[in-house]
Amino acid sequence: GAGVSQSPSNKVTEKGKDVELRCDPISGHTALYWYRQSLGQGLEFLIYFQGNSAPDKSGLPSDRFSAERTGGSVSTLTIQRTQQEDSAVYLCASSLILEPGTVYSPLHFGNGTRLTVT
Amino acid sequence: AQSVTQLGSHVSVSEGALVLLRCNYSSSVPPYLFWYVQYPNQGLQLLLKYTTGATLVKGINGFEAEFKKSETSFHLTKPSAHMSDAAEYFCAVSRSGGYQKVTFGTGTKLQVIP
Repeated sequence: GAGVSQSPSNKVTEKGKDVELRCDPISGHTALYWYRQSLGQGLEFLIYFQGNSAPDKSGLPSDRFSAERTGGSVSTLTIQRTQQEDSAVYLCASSLILEPGTVYSPLHFGNGTRLTVT
Repeated sequence: AQSVTQLGSHVSVSEGALVLLRCNYSSSVPPYLFWYVQYPNQGLQLLLKYTTGATLVKGINGFEAEFKKSETSFHLTKPSAHMSDAAEYFCAVSRSGGYQKVTFGTGTKLQVIP
């Protein structure tokens, strides 16, 4: 079946502009994650949506970053007034939420959006 | 809070040599532990996982890892490196149970020398 889809695959923007990154998770996956991958920084957790619960926004680096998930499916990560330090690959992942004791559902990653702020 | 520490951002091994990538974790509750691999120009994929049960877990492509609670470690090994193993490897941790926020380490790039 279809995997996690992210768009655009590449985005070049000028400093100060707003950008929107889109993630289409695997159908039926109730958990959705955004991570940022920068050189030497590994995968930095940004935000986690779990079903209908309030999202865990503890990883968002500043109030310029926001994300929403509409209808429990598609998610959009918005970065306002972009800065050069925002340049990175933004990864989305989705997974099933299972009851404890059941088989673990791994994260399925998209190929990411490479954001370059000039 | 949970975290993982990967020792060595770059590791080089000769083809046929042992691969050892180190990971130590911190978790206030019983953890779930994972290794993910990212091949060049590809997305991340799960290599292996520890949730419960046997502490030695086997993954794809001949990799295995052992959960050692006393050492808070989950090191990744492979007896004999292949050129195709060249990739970046990420250790990750989450809480056991339904809240599955996954925290990743900074990654280790494995270079295999012919």
